[in-house]
Amino acid sequence: KNEVEQSPQNLTAQEGEFITINCSYSVGISALHWLQQHPGGGIVSLFMLSSGKKKHGRLIATINIQEKHSSLHITASHPRDSAVYICAVGNAGNNRKLIWGLGTSLAVNP
Amino acid sequence: NAGVTQTPKFRILKIGQSMTLQCTQDMNHNYMYWYRQDPGMGLKLIYYSVGAGITDKGEVPNGYNVSRSTTEDFPLRLELAAPSQTSVYFCATCSGLGTAGELFFGEGSRLTVL
Repeated sequence: KNEVEQSPQNLTAQEGEFITINCSYSVGISALHWLQQHPGGGIVSLFMLSSGKKKHGRLIATINIQEKHSSLHITASHPRDSAVYICAVGNAGNNRKLIWGLGTSLAVNP
Repeated sequence: NAGVTQTPKFRILKIGQSMTLQCTQDMNHNYMYWYRQDPGMGLKLIYYSVGAGITDKGEVPNGYNVSRSTTEDFPLRLELAAPSQTSVYFCATCSGLGTAGELFFGEGSRLTVL
C-alpha cells in the first residue's frame, strides 16, 4: 500500500460541476502539497498545507491532520482545469524528501 | 525572476552516450531535487541536495550522478545511457526548510535513449 493514496484515479466532469479529489496518507507529515500538471506540460504548485484550509480563486484545499486526509475542490469547473492533480507529503520523520501520490487525471468536458 | 531553468528541453541519445541535464535556479533555495517521470507513473526521486556541497541519493539513483558546487546549479549527469533512462526529467526546488515550503519545478527535459 502506498503511503500516499489519491482517489479517484480518473475523473470526468461536465463544465460547471463541483469537483473533489481526495488524498489520504499514512505517515506523520510536515506539510502536504497539491500540484497540477497539464498534459505534456510542466508541474505547478497549487497549495502547501499544514493545517486548515486554503483558497485560491476557484480552488480550495483542506486538510484534516487527525484523519490524515486532504481534499482539493474545484468550483465551477472549466475545460482548462483538465489536468493531472498530484498530492505529495513531506514526511515529518524525514523532512528532506517528499512522498508522492500517483495523481488524479481530471477531464472537464464543455 | 526566471525560477527554475532546465536545459535541454529535448534530447535523443544513443545507448552508451553520456550527457548532462542542467538545472539552474535564481531563488536562493537550498533544497533541490531531480525527478524522473515515466508515462502514466508518478514522480521518482533520483537525487536531492539540501545545500551547496551536499547531495544524497533518492529512490532511483543508479546510472546518474549529481553535483552541487553552488546554490544555483544542480546538474544531473547520465553516464552510459540505457533505454531504461528514457523519461521526462524534472528539476525542482523547495523554498522552505525541508519539504514545508513552496515547490518550484522546471519545465522538464524529455530524454529518449535509442
